[in-house]
Amino acid sequence: QVTLKESGPALVKPTQTLTLTCTFSGFSLSTSGMRVAWIRQPPGKALEWLARIDRDDAKFYSTSLRTRLTISKDTFKNLVVLTMTKVDPVDTATYYCARIPPGGNGAMDVWGQGTTVTVSS
Amino acid sequence: DIQMTQSPSSLSASVGDRVTITCRASQSISIYLSWYQQKPGKAPKLLIFDASSLQSGVPSRFSGSGSGTDFTLTISSLQPEDSATFYCQQSHTTPWTFGQGTKVEIK
Repeated sequence: QVTLKESGPALVKPTQTLTLTCTFSGFSLSTSGMRVAWIRQPPGKALEWLARIDRDDAKFYSTSLRTRLTISKDTFKNLVVLTMTKVDPVDTATYYCARIPPGGNGAMDVWGQGTTVTVSS
Repeated sequence: DIQMTQSPSSLSASVGDRVTITCRASQSISIYLSWYQQKPGKAPKLLIFDASSLQSGVPSRFSGSGSGTDFTLTISSLQPEDSATFYCQQSHTTPWTFGQGTKVEIK
């Protein structure tokens, strides 16, 4: 069974760095073609794709957030980490990680439950 | 970035109705298009991948079509449990992008 779970602080202050961890099971990032993405959703708003990391450690970022985001992986520990620097109240959102299996042309087939982050002083 | 535009933004339909949601890409994305369903307080769920392939376990009343820039999600006979927001997403070019969502309500 494939599962993903996001974890991180529920509350961060403006200008701080946010670190989120996606811990997964049931698949491996060492599998050819496997990828993991981060997506967020501000309250009452649409989904926003943030970043992706591939098996070969290729990394891709949202255009508007690329200077503030870093994605990394630990294949042996089955986790993917997303850091966001200089957070602002507009970064308040539910953050999801999702698996992108090989061969699906980019469809995110299994998602975590999400973790809610509030940016406030 | 490729912009994804969904229409309508919301709709209200009766149980048993045929419902169609459209998604337009700002440039050709071949069939690199997925559809997701999201219910309040829940994570999105994959319905359709590769524009028209039904994800395992998804009811056959859901179908997708299209290629290039114009895509459609159809619910052939709307059921009460289909009340949700639906999103399209392109994976042709990074950064990947989502549509703004279509909220489907049951009359």
